[in-house]
Amino acid sequence: GAGVSQSPSNKVTEKGKDVELRCDPISGHTALYWYRQSLGQGLEFLIYFQGNSAPDKSGLPSDRFSAERTGGSVSTLTIQRTQQEDSAVYLCASSIPTGASGNTIYFGEGSWLTVV
Amino acid sequence: SQQGEEDPQALSIQEGENATMNCSYKTSINNLQWYRQNSGRGLVHLILIRSNEREKHSGRLRVTLDTSKKSSSLLITASRAADTASYFCATDARGAQKLVFGQGTRLTINP
Repeated sequence: GAGVSQSPSNKVTEKGKDVELRCDPISGHTALYWYRQSLGQGLEFLIYFQGNSAPDKSGLPSDRFSAERTGGSVSTLTIQRTQQEDSAVYLCASSIPTGASGNTIYFGEGSWLTVV
Repeated sequence: SQQGEEDPQALSIQEGENATMNCSYKTSINNLQWYRQNSGRGLVHLILIRSNEREKHSGRLRVTLDTSKKSSSLLITASRAADTASYFCATDARGAQKLVFGQGTRLTINP
């Protein structure tokens, strides 16, 4: 597709279950970001992948959160043993890094996670 | 934290008026960007201003950057009801690739 694709768009899960959120970046984009946004709040950086470099995981809130990017394309964000405070929209974005020229990033529509 | 902070958190004006939103950040940056978000879903890029630029225009948007004060402003002129959205600034620190977003300004344009 032409844009960043995320699935599922909505997910309701029971507390304690694991969830996987998927992101298909724009073809050719080597950089991929995951952000979390709670209702009415700003975007919280989670993790950043760039090509074959080690990902920047500095934003992951706990060891229950992990992310992979296979083959430099599709990424999966996994949340283990979900808690109610994990309820949020999880936004994926991708870009072609241009160094100091600036990275315009393109967002997917997000995956809305509700933990009950 | 490098995170930008927008001011005000919420702004409500009448259609046709100008809307000004401000963003402050803490560390040296390469660039500052503004994004728009409708209905809590994906963000859309509006404009990018480089650290060596002071002002940039795009249609009804005007962005200024003052690196000495580590602040930026976004002006939307002749506002329309369709401009109702949340607006976020984002910065990428020198030596880093990731974009860090502020908390956003919720703009409401009243018909």
